[in-house]
Amino acid sequence: ETGVTQSPTHLIKTRGQQVTLRCSSQSGHNTVSWYQQALGQGPQFIFQYYREEENGRGNFPPRFSGLQFPNYSSELNVNALELDDSALYLCASSTGGAGNTGELFFGEGSRLTVL
Amino acid sequence: GESVGLHLPTLSVQEGDNSIINCAYSNSASDYFIWYKQESGKGPQFIIDIRSNMDKRQGQRVTVLLNKTVKHLSLQIAATQPGDSAVYFCAENRNPGGSYIPTFGRGTSLIVHP
Repeated sequence: ETGVTQSPTHLIKTRGQQVTLRCSSQSGHNTVSWYQQALGQGPQFIFQYYREEENGRGNFPPRFSGLQFPNYSSELNVNALELDDSALYLCASSTGGAGNTGELFFGEGSRLTVL
Repeated sequence: GESVGLHLPTLSVQEGDNSIINCAYSNSASDYFIWYKQESGKGPQFIIDIRSNMDKRQGQRVTVLLNKTVKHLSLQIAATQPGDSAVYFCAENRNPGGSYIPTFGRGTSLIVHP
């Protein structure tokens, strides 16, 4: 167990809808990264938040947005859902700044199905 | 551009054999690599890491080798066990400021036959 929790674990949406995924980071971690993992593929980096600021962003359109709260938990929002958004969404927490090692602690993911 | 890739998508071994999973990277400026293991239905889990000032690092039953000349790294698992069956990813780490951001390859599925 990594201490990173994600909700919901599974959800089904239809095209055009919006979804919000939530992540609670491991105690002591100030960085949250979000990844999209399609079936049979490696996790693709969406964005990262470090101390409530976006620290980097992958090749995802603006309809993917996020935020990090003062307690370092985080949300991923996806607007105007498309069929290709169906995937496992992984949240990972880590320690950023001085002493950061790059090791990510992943949650078990939120499985999104878009019909 | 940057890329992280794996040579073999699937590796099948017998229990007790040694396993070797390979990974190539293209960004010569990368200085930190991590191997992750992902079991079915779970998120990736850290196995071992290596920095570019090293060419070998050992853990419990695992060894990572880094060859910067050909931009290649490998993960060796000794005495492979059925519990090692999973998908293995190498991740190339970059640090744009504040925190590392790993970039994952496609992964290799390791199947261990009892």
